[in-house]
Amino acid sequence: DAGVIQSPRHEVTEMGQEVTLRCKPISGHNSLFWYRQTMMRGLELLIYFNNNVPIDDSGMPEDRFSAKMPNASFSTLKIQPSEPRDSAVYFCASSPDPGQARYSNQPQHFGDGTRLSIL
Amino acid sequence: ELKVEQNPLFLSMQEGKNYTIYCNYSTTSDRLYWYRQDPGKSLESLFVLLSNGAVKQEGRLMASLDTKARLSTLHITAAVHDLSATYFCAVESSGGGADGLTFGKGTHLIIQP
Repeated sequence: DAGVIQSPRHEVTEMGQEVTLRCKPISGHNSLFWYRQTMMRGLELLIYFNNNVPIDDSGMPEDRFSAKMPNASFSTLKIQPSEPRDSAVYFCASSPDPGQARYSNQPQHFGDGTRLSIL
Repeated sequence: ELKVEQNPLFLSMQEGKNYTIYCNYSTTSDRLYWYRQDPGKSLESLFVLLSNGAVKQEGRLMASLDTKARLSTLHITAAVHDLSATYFCAVESSGGGADGLTFGKGTHLIIQP
């Protein structure tokens, strides 16, 4: 089975440019999460969606960050304009509905991440 | 605000030894997770713990959960070099439905021959 697919794997761009990260969740999973990992702050939740609807975006750093999930198989995380402090590894994860008993012991499945460097 | 604390953050141990990683969390939670991360790689799920007293084992790793103490442990038995990695515990807020995870800072484990 295909796992969570993220693209690009690596992105290097200059400060001020727009960056778009993409994620395809596992088919059938109805929850999608965006996380950011840095040495200083560790792993942080940015935003998550249930059934394509944003539920909690309190982790989004500021207005420069936005995320969308236009359908069940695709999500984007956009940074505009980008800054050097946005450099990090961005992970997308998905999970089935844990409210259903048959999925209650399912973890969140993580993609390989996008390593973003803003110069 | 949910907080998750792991200790130790760094651990160097010899092959064949046993050790335990601890994970404390600050508020009631429905689910606790343990993940493994190798350098430059993604997070790999190890265990999902759902209820008080839950114990799960996979190979040389065993995880347990005490919801009353808000404590989970990851025990390593007779460590081998292949277990060298960073281990994270993560907690999901109560609510029943899917929720974002709050992660501990991770335990960087080095197992030396």
